[in-house]
Amino acid sequence: DGGITQSPKYLFRKEGQNVTLSCEQNLNHDAMYWYRQDPGQGLRLIYYSQIVNDFQKGDIAEGYSVSREKKESFPLTVTSAQKNPTAFYLCASSRRPTTRQETQYFGPGTRLLVL
Amino acid sequence: GNSVTQMEGPVTLSEEAFLTINCTYTATGYPSLFWYVQYPGEGLQLLLKATKADDKGSNKGFEATYRKETTSFHLEKGSVQVSDSAVYFCALSGNTGTASKLTFGTGTRLQVTL
Repeated sequence: DGGITQSPKYLFRKEGQNVTLSCEQNLNHDAMYWYRQDPGQGLRLIYYSQIVNDFQKGDIAEGYSVSREKKESFPLTVTSAQKNPTAFYLCASSRRPTTRQETQYFGPGTRLLVL
Repeated sequence: GNSVTQMEGPVTLSEEAFLTINCTYTATGYPSLFWYVQYPGEGLQLLLKATKADDKGSNKGFEATYRKETTSFHLEKGSVQVSDSAVYFCALSGNTGTASKLTFGTGTRLQVTL
């Protein structure tokens, strides 16, 4: 079955530690996205990528980094510079990045908690 | 910039009641409009979408019509079930530069009781 997988489901971060969230898709989609969801709020865009080896900052990129070395994979690193990392992180993909009619498909999410 | 406003929840209904969740938007140009649903502890699933004015999206008994004159995309269902309990997000997609990005509302929690 085609889809988006995220791992781990839960992740714990210690103070000053960098952690990496995995996102893999087998939909052959060009574009991938990372969102952050806080309780009672909508989703906010962290980073997005339209093509391999290229990515752009979203609305709340500070304290995060990404890479796109393969079409299928778009890992997100939460660095120690992100002072409030506790949130639910959602990865999404879409077939074509530049068409407003395209649907974004979401993974199951990773919940990040700070110890 | 683009924005989406949804009615605040939670919305509590009895099974078989009629559902309306209001959504209005502000955007330049001609955005596409989406409703996503999120079940507890899960990611978002597309419920329905509409890509131009007067289009009606529909799925699983849910409907929403793209009303450009009132900048609205209200979600409706004639008879809700307990299994419809979830958080519903309205979103719009409008090209910004060369990328199509989603702008989300804050979500509306629906609870359906027997």
